[in-house]
Amino acid sequence: DIQMTQSPASLSASVGDRVTVTCRASQLLSSYLHWYQQKPGRAPKLLIYAASSLQTGVPSRFSGGQSGTDFTLTISGLQPEDFATYFCQQTYKTPFTFGQGTKLEI
Amino acid sequence: QVTLKESGPALVQPTETVTLTCTFSGFSLSTPGMRVNWVRQPPGKALEWLGRIDWDDEKRYSASLRTRLSISKDTYSDQVVLIFSNVDPSDTAAYFCARSSGVGASRDAFDIWGQGTMVTVSS
Repeated sequence: DIQMTQSPASLSASVGDRVTVTCRASQLLSSYLHWYQQKPGRAPKLLIYAASSLQTGVPSRFSGGQSGTDFTLTISGLQPEDFATYFCQQTYKTPFTFGQGTKLEI
Repeated sequence: QVTLKESGPALVQPTETVTLTCTFSGFSLSTPGMRVNWVRQPPGKALEWLGRIDWDDEKRYSASLRTRLSISKDTYSDQVVLIFSNVDPSDTAAYFCARSSGVGASRDAFDIWGQGTMVTVSS
C-alpha cells in the first residue's frame, strides 16, 4: 500500500496567518493527490484535486503544490472558518490511502 | 445538484452483518468512469477507504477487509449497497459514501460526499 505521511499533526495559528501542511508519499503519485477539509461532525470537503487544481467554489487562499513525492497545502490569510482538520489522499493506486490529518487550531 | 446520503442501523451486535445503503441523485452510475466509494472514520481518527464500485460493475476493496465486504449497485434505483459481515467493536465508525470519476482531470478525487452514518458495534 502507498503510505501517506502528513505533517504536522496539529498546528496553531491566528487569523490572517499563512500556513502550510505537508504530505509525503511512499512512492511517486504523478498528480493523483487531493486535499480535503473536515469540520467536526461533518463530511470531508474537497479543496484541491490533482495536487494543485482548486475545486469549484473553494476560495483562492487555498493552494496546492508538488515536488516529487512531497505535496503541500497552503492557506494564505487564514479566516475563522478555516480552523478545521485537513487530510491528504492518494488515488494513484488502490487501496486509496489518506494521511493522518492535520488539526488547525486557533 | 449532486447528493449522496447514507442509511443503515445505528447500533449492531458483534458478529452481525451490517447493510449500509448509499442513495444518490444528480448523476448516473451508468455514466462511463463514474464511481461510488465507501470510506469510514472511527471517532477521532483518520479516514479509511473501504472500497468502490464502478459504472461497469467493477469493484475494488481494501485488502484487509476484502473477506468481509461486498459492494453492489442498483442502477435503476440509484443506490449502492455495502454489506459488512462479522463486525467487531473496532468497526465502530462513521461510514461515508463519496463520488469520484476515473476519467478526466479530477484524478479520482472524491468531489461529493454523503453526510455519513454512524455505526456503533456493541453488545
